[in-house]
Amino acid sequence: DAGVIQSPRHEVTEMGQEVTLRCKPISGHNSLFWYRQTMMRGLELLIYFNNNVPIDDSGMPEDRFSAKMPNASFSTLKIQPSEPRDSAVYFCASSHTGTANNEQFFGPGTRLTVL
Amino acid sequence: AQSVAQPEDQVNVAEGNPLTVKCTYSVSGNPYLFWYVQYPNRGLQFLLKYITGDNLVKGSYGFEAEFNKSQTSFHLKKPSALVSDSALYFCAVSAYSGGGADGLTFGKGTHLIIQP
Repeated sequence: DAGVIQSPRHEVTEMGQEVTLRCKPISGHNSLFWYRQTMMRGLELLIYFNNNVPIDDSGMPEDRFSAKMPNASFSTLKIQPSEPRDSAVYFCASSHTGTANNEQFFGPGTRLTVL
Repeated sequence: AQSVAQPEDQVNVAEGNPLTVKCTYSVSGNPYLFWYVQYPNRGLQFLLKYITGDNLVKGSYGFEAEFNKSQTSFHLKKPSALVSDSALYFCAVSAYSGGGADGLTFGKGTHLIIQP
């Protein structure tokens, strides 16, 4: 398996632009998580899905952020409009639920820079 | 609400010496505890986990961690450090809800520096 796949790996955009980050979880995993990593705040859970259904989005910073999971093999995190303070590394992770073995497997991350 | 504390921003150890990276947690109910490692410009890699059973958990690359319920701690250890162990280490906790996996709550991370 190729592991969790994220695209793009790097994104540089200007303030006010729409940004879409993409994630393909590991095949067979039915939980998907979006995290954000910054120097100031460390790793924060933004939102997670079980069986394509959003379970907890309390970590989403504000209405400018939205996430979707239209099917078991694809998820997007969208920021519209983007702001400089959104600059961070965004990680997607997946896990296989239904068992006690729920370690999460992380993608390589998308480094977002908003100018 | 659950939380994780890693009291040391940085730990310096000489190569060949034992290392300990500290972690304490707070969670309602039974905790699931994890250690992850992050190398520069990479995603997080799973090292080990405690779910239930033996309090001493062995993981990848010779690392182990000891779950201590009374002290609410889950310190990461290795008997003999390697220079290649130098990285950023994260402790994390989740509480399995029964309805599916829950998101992880991470500590701030500890930079481990192994000196030759």
